Amino acid sequence: QVQLVQSGAEVKKPGSSVKVSCKDSGGLFSYYAVTWVRQAPGQGLEWMGAIIPFVGTANYAQKFQGRVTLTTDESTGTAYMELNSLRSEDTALYFCAYTGYYNGMDVWGQGTTVTVSS
Amino acid sequence: EIVMTQSPATLSVSPGERATLSCRASQSVSSNLAWYQQQRGQAPRLLIYGASTRATGIPARFSGSGSGTEFSLTISSLQSEDFAVYYCQQYNNWPLFTFGQGTKLEIK
Repeated sequence: QVQLVQSGAEVKKPGSSVKVSCKDSGGLFSYYAVTWVRQAPGQGLEWMGAIIPFVGTANYAQKFQGRVTLTTDESTGTAYMELNSLRSEDTALYFCAYTGYYNGMDVWGQGTTVTVSS
Repeated sequence: EIVMTQSPATLSVSPGERATLSCRASQSVSSNLAWYQQQRGQAPRLLIYGASTRATGIPARFSGSGSGTEFSLTISSLQSEDFAVYYCQQYNNWPLFTFGQGTKLEIK
């Protein structure tokens, strides 16, 4: 069974950076795009960006351009999301998910809570 | 950017009844639309993709329809576990995506 396992909760200061990992335990890393979605407390889902490991290209939502970087390590089947210049509004639950080509997001990580507070 | 608008924001329905949720795209997304269910504190679950295809393991009481700019998700006979928040998501220019703001389905 394919699983995506994310790193643990983070508490960060405003202006700092956070890097969240997402590891594939099912061996399908090379066959999907990895997408990142966040959810602020009490709010809806917000797409941040997606990366295609076997192509090596990343696409970002306009809102996060220049502040988020998506990378992958195919040798370990792990994807990373780094968000810079953190502010309090970045406090949220961050998810990674697999999405097949022109398909929905059918496998999700458990989520990583990022809290930005001085 | 394609904007997805869901309605209503909250829908109150009794168990056993039918619920219909709507999703509108600001421009045509063809049939490149998915629906998700999210229970409190959990990751979303894919219900429908391709506007009308149920994902693996999704009960037949869930159905999706529509194309272009107008879509709907129907739950034919609501079970207690169906009360949750539902999101639509377009992927017409894969892998660029946007979500609707969600519809909360609550018990009447």
